[in-house]
Amino acid sequence: DADVTQTPRNRITKTGKRIMLECSQTKGHDRMYWYRQDPGLGLRLIYYSFDVKDINKGEISDGYSVSRQAQAKFSLSLESAIPNQTALYFCATSDFETSGGSSYNEQFFGPGTRLTVL
Amino acid sequence: DQQVKQNSPSLSVQEGRISILNCDYTNSMFDYFLWYKKYPAEGPTFLISISSIKDKNEDGRFTVFLNKSAKHLSLHIVPSQPGDSAVYFCAALKGGSQGNLIFGKGTKLSVKP
Repeated sequence: DADVTQTPRNRITKTGKRIMLECSQTKGHDRMYWYRQDPGLGLRLIYYSFDVKDINKGEISDGYSVSRQAQAKFSLSLESAIPNQTALYFCATSDFETSGGSSYNEQFFGPGTRLTVL
Repeated sequence: DQQVKQNSPSLSVQEGRISILNCDYTNSMFDYFLWYKKYPAEGPTFLISISSIKDKNEDGRFTVFLNKSAKHLSLHIVPSQPGDSAVYFCAALKGGSQGNLIFGKGTKLSVKP
């Protein structure tokens, strides 16, 4: 079974609808992230959570909200979807380690959700 | 302003030859760098990383070189194989921060048989 799962994998919706994307992980990591990928723009961070009680805005949080229901679950909501939120959305998890003054943050990604807003 | 730059959107290489993917960064506080590989319809997967205290890290066919003075890193794949065809993302981490990765826009590598 996959360590990081996302549901749904594909979603088509209409402008103004509320949408929730869900992410679950079995890696036991405290840190979870939501990214979006647009063609030619790479991965941009929407929100991140370092534990259940810690939620932080990323680079492009406007129009989105999140909920960390448990260590293993992190959901992303679009309260009122708009066409420019059409993108590929990825959830990721990580531990965070330091060693010798350096920090390590290998992130493990889910398979992605392709969202289309008409 | 983009802190991690991959200036080549695409690269085409013949099977068996070397692939060199480049990445530049602007923030001298970055102290850890990672490369991710992404196939269509899949999430990115970690490939190789390097700490700023090193200038080279090797893992099989993959080698990452870091030139801190030039704020430049490169990923070498030797020999390239058709299965290496994917989008490669460079990412950087700033030590002492909250530990968030900053990603480049990616380079699409095509390895032709």
